Amino acid sequence: NAGVTQTPKFQVLKTGQSMTLQCAQDMNHEYMSWYRQDPGMGLRLIHYSVGAGITDQGEVPNGYNVSRSTTEDFPLRLLSAAPSQTSVYFCASSDPGGYSGKNIQYFGAGTRLSVL
Amino acid sequence: DQQVKQNSPSLSVQEGRISILNCDYTNSMFDYFLWYKKYPAEGPTFLISISSIKDKNEDGRFTVFLNKSAKHLSLHIVPSQPGDSAVYFCAASLQGGSEKLVFGKGTKLTVNP
Repeated sequence: NAGVTQTPKFQVLKTGQSMTLQCAQDMNHEYMSWYRQDPGMGLRLIHYSVGAGITDQGEVPNGYNVSRSTTEDFPLRLLSAAPSQTSVYFCASSDPGGYSGKNIQYFGAGTRLSVL
Repeated sequence: DQQVKQNSPSLSVQEGRISILNCDYTNSMFDYFLWYKKYPAEGPTFLISISSIKDKNEDGRFTVFLNKSAKHLSLHIVPSQPGDSAVYFCAASLQGGSEKLVFGKGTKLTVNP
């Protein structure tokens, strides 16, 4: 069972370049989200989706776009990369159904991004 | 304005002793709390959770205590093992079935052999 898969694991960009971070889950989870982790800052929510076709902004959405065309995939797009977007990015998914499993989000292994 | 606070960036304990990780929150609308564990170069993994209707939840060596009046929760690990060395994140979610989680900044636990 693959769970949440993120690609690539590492990426180096130049300022102004664009790229898409991929996230796929095979657990049929409705809820998916993107976080960034910076030293001393914990995990901060970028964007999230409660189902296919529905997305919304989190705490730090500027500079990022998302879309959710299928239940399985939730890509994160950087339109014009900036050094401030150097971070580790995590994708997560969860199944809102069932109180025993409420809010238990399953995370991918992360993408380490450097913007020069 | 940080709604979930982990005021200790790091904690060091001896193998076999108890580890106590603390977390405070400010939003009284949080009704579900979780602890995640993260090893370097890996994603966070769920460890244990507690609903606001309970004050304690236990799973093996891990116990989470919730004090609603103080808006405080703690994670106890007994006995601590070197493999427990990781960063621990406290997280909370709002009432109403929201799936959104608010995370603390994490506490790095080191268990020394």
